[in-house]
Amino acid sequence: NAGVTQTPKFQVLKTGQSMTLQCAQDMNHNSMYWYRQDPGMGLRLIYYSASEGTTDKGEVPNGYNVSRLNKREFSLRLESAAPSQTSVYFCASSEGGTVGNTIYFGEGSWLTVV
Amino acid sequence: GDSVTQMEGPVTLSEEAFLTINCTYTATGYPSLFWYVQYPGEGLQLLLKATKADDKGSNKGFEATYRKETTSFHLEKGSVQVSDSAVYFCASFTGGGNKLTFGTGTQLKVEL
Repeated sequence: NAGVTQTPKFQVLKTGQSMTLQCAQDMNHNSMYWYRQDPGMGLRLIYYSASEGTTDKGEVPNGYNVSRLNKREFSLRLESAAPSQTSVYFCASSEGGTVGNTIYFGEGSWLTVV
Repeated sequence: GDSVTQMEGPVTLSEEAFLTINCTYTATGYPSLFWYVQYPGEGLQLLLKATKADDKGSNKGFEATYRKETTSFHLEKGSVQVSDSAVYFCASFTGGGNKLTFGTGTQLKVEL
């Protein structure tokens, strides 16, 4: 009953440090996503992967890189963290395609950059 | 590009009051529409959805009707409970972009 699992749940970084957020889904979904959530701005798409082997930029990709390691896993990397990247990050997955399939979310990763 | 606009919160209601949270969208083509709910400290959960005009999504007493003529998908509940206190997000999905576009969220507080 895992669904979408992301780690770590909490992380504090110093400016300039790097880190990777890990995400895995066990629903055999084709598409995976990384969103960030900031107060008053809703959720904004950082990157997405429509299918294994492909990745595309979303609305706010600057400062991030992603890797679709296999069908299950989609990681988000911050190469040089900045205070503006303090946020809550959500990984999500869906079957993909043109029909409005439900997108399932992980529980979130709270990142603070000091 | 696609966008979703929903009413700002917080919305504070007494238990058993009627709830409406407005949501309108702009999109190329005919999107699918969703309401997600986020309880404190948790991720987003799908509340309901509608995939074509005039469809009504419903779940846990919540309802929303896809109105193509007014490009709206307002969330309603006849009698809210304290346990409904959460943040509610309206979202649209356009297949060509293969991604969900969210509104900014509306916080609902229900008091006894």
